[in-house]
Amino acid sequence: GAVVSQHPSRVICKSGTSVKIECRSLDFQATTMFWYRQFPKKSLMLMATSNEGSKATYEQGVEKDKFLINHASLTLSTLTVTSAHPEDSSFYICSAVGLSSTDTQYFGPGTRLTVL
Amino acid sequence: SQQGEEDPQALSIQEGENATMNCSYKTSINNLQWYRQNSGRGLVHLILIRSNEREKHSGRLRVTLDTSKKSSSLLITASRAADTASYFCATSGNQFYFGTGTSLTVIP
Repeated sequence: GAVVSQHPSRVICKSGTSVKIECRSLDFQATTMFWYRQFPKKSLMLMATSNEGSKATYEQGVEKDKFLINHASLTLSTLTVTSAHPEDSSFYICSAVGLSSTDTQYFGPGTRLTVL
Repeated sequence: SQQGEEDPQALSIQEGENATMNCSYKTSINNLQWYRQNSGRGLVHLILIRSNEREKHSGRLRVTLDTSKKSSSLLITASRAADTASYFCATSGNQFYFGTGTSLTVIP
């Protein structure tokens, strides 16, 4: 099956720094990637929809200047958490959808962000 | 965010019993997937069922899909303590949904 990777899997940073998380589709081209955030013992919360070559669409309540998304190629989307604060600590998961609009959504393994 | 609904939210059973979780969604789909997530870990893909399928089996897992009711169920037979995890459904189609999850605890 299709594989989506995320890097890094785990990151610890100091408050005020920026952290970049990569999401890659390894064996297929993804026109659309989704970024989710998961709080402890909760379901995934959709943050934004990222389309290759265009601006991301953010869900209500998600600050676009705080969570910068770049989908520069058909296999890579990045999420940058800018000026991170402890409340940004969370599990961030991406998913990718192939070129066909009926394709399945494949999830990455997630990135654990801890902001000290 | 757009999400499907799952029930129950939490389920606790004895080892050896069967566990059934349900997922409901809102629009037409092309397929539905079930995922498992151990505490603090990433999602693990379990099974995919397409909209033209009604039932699918994989080992101790049995998934059903009723597109007329926009619902799916995941049955885990002969549960084991290692099955303790959260289980989510996700749908693909004109829109994408991710379920709220069922937390399953299997007591040894």
